[in-house]
Amino acid sequence: DAKTTQPTSMDCAEGRAANLPCNHSTISGNEYVYWYRQIHSQGPQYIIHGLKNNETNEMASLIITEDRKSSTLILPHATLRDTAVYYCIVRANQAGTALIFGKGTTLSVSS
Amino acid sequence: NAGVTQTPKFQVLKTGQSMTLQCAQDMNHEYMSWYRQDPGMGLRLIHYSVGAGITDQGEVPNGYNVSRSTTEDFPLRLLSAAPSQTSVYFCASSPTTRGVLSGANVLTFGAGSRLTVL
Repeated sequence: DAKTTQPTSMDCAEGRAANLPCNHSTISGNEYVYWYRQIHSQGPQYIIHGLKNNETNEMASLIITEDRKSSTLILPHATLRDTAVYYCIVRANQAGTALIFGKGTTLSVSS
Repeated sequence: NAGVTQTPKFQVLKTGQSMTLQCAQDMNHEYMSWYRQDPGMGLRLIHYSVGAGITDQGEVPNGYNVSRSTTEDFPLRLLSAAPSQTSVYFCASSPTTRGVLSGANVLTFGAGSRLTVL
């Protein structure tokens, strides 16, 4: 049952890259790493997911280490609107039907 | 394309009252689910559905009922509200019923319904 370790909080200056780390040393070989974020009081929002290779989309980049024990979410040019709680998820319930959300990292972007 | 729509956004109930939180999606998603979010507890799964006519319990189902008569709608019913059910409720859907960690499954969440039980 893979678990994640994320820093409780991080700060980032507007316009700079935000690099959010996640440790998941017990991840299974066929399980993806998912990142979601939750802006204050809103529903969680999907960002990106990956298995082995690095991934990039319009929102972010995901770097997964070769041993898959950790990953980093990169927001290349953080804005104030990126202030949110970021969840790295590698766990599901036994039936595989629901993501298990941890406490995530609170990212504060300031000007 | 509205995505996942939840109503109401806010609701105040008295202990013992019943009510229904509505959830509708217009993406033809097979899978729908309800989570609750409490401070310091993260999101916890209440009930989920893998298709019309099929529902199952999540981690914290007690005090809640669901049904799935259509693909689009997945209402959550509180039978007799209790203060412990004060929470923010999120509905989420995904296009497939394959495992959530399979790589094929991305959840779309609604904006949430904030419920207070006095």
